[in-house]
Amino acid sequence: QLQLQESGPGLVKPSETLSLTCTVSGGSISSSSHYWGWIRQPPGKGLEWIGSIYYSGTAYYNPSLKSRVTISVDTSKNHFSLRLSSVTASDTALYYCARHYSPSGTSFRSIGGYWGQGTLVTVSS
Amino acid sequence: QSVLTQPPSVSAAPGQKVTISCSGSSSNIGSNYVSWYQQLPGTAPKLLIYDSDTRPSGIPDRFSGSKSGTSATLGITGLQTGDEADYYCGTWDSSLNVVLFGGGTKLTVL
Repeated sequence: QLQLQESGPGLVKPSETLSLTCTVSGGSISSSSHYWGWIRQPPGKGLEWIGSIYYSGTAYYNPSLKSRVTISVDTSKNHFSLRLSSVTASDTALYYCARHYSPSGTSFRSIGGYWGQGTLVTVSS
Repeated sequence: QSVLTQPPSVSAAPGQKVTISCSGSSSNIGSNYVSWYQQLPGTAPKLLIYDSDTRPSGIPDRFSGSKSGTSATLGITGLQTGDEADYYCGTWDSSLNVVLFGGGTKLTVL
């Protein structure tokens, strides 16, 4: 059974960089049919897609966050990571990692087939 | 404001049926599959429907999905109190190359 687990600091200071890792177990991150992504949810609000990456390193990003976001993948460790720079209080959210189905490799047929449990990141001094 | 439009809330009595709509455009719902998610309080979203109308293994057939043009619909029959949750639609936008989510719909089972 595929499982995703987020890890990283739960508290980040304003203007610093948020870093999270999603470790995949029960399956390979090098799957040719899947992208791996980050989605966040501010307290009491809806879902916001941050970005997604293929095992080869091809990535798509939310244009509203693109200037601050880097998503990377480490196939040897079967994990992928998120870095969000220059954070502010508005970046406080539950951060989820998820797997998307992409048979074409250029678009997503199914989004969020598997999700991690989420990790709360608070931006505060 | 989300590109995919969902009603903020819907409600119905136990045993009844409810539908939740998700409206988009030709570049997203109109040309891609739609997924639906259930988010129970305090938990991660769970995939309910993929390929616009297909239930993953383990999802009861009380849940159904459909798509027509630039809109998609989630249907839930035989409502139970345990169905009270937030429901989201999601899809790919082929023009923007982005993942889109609806704003979410809170289901109340009266």
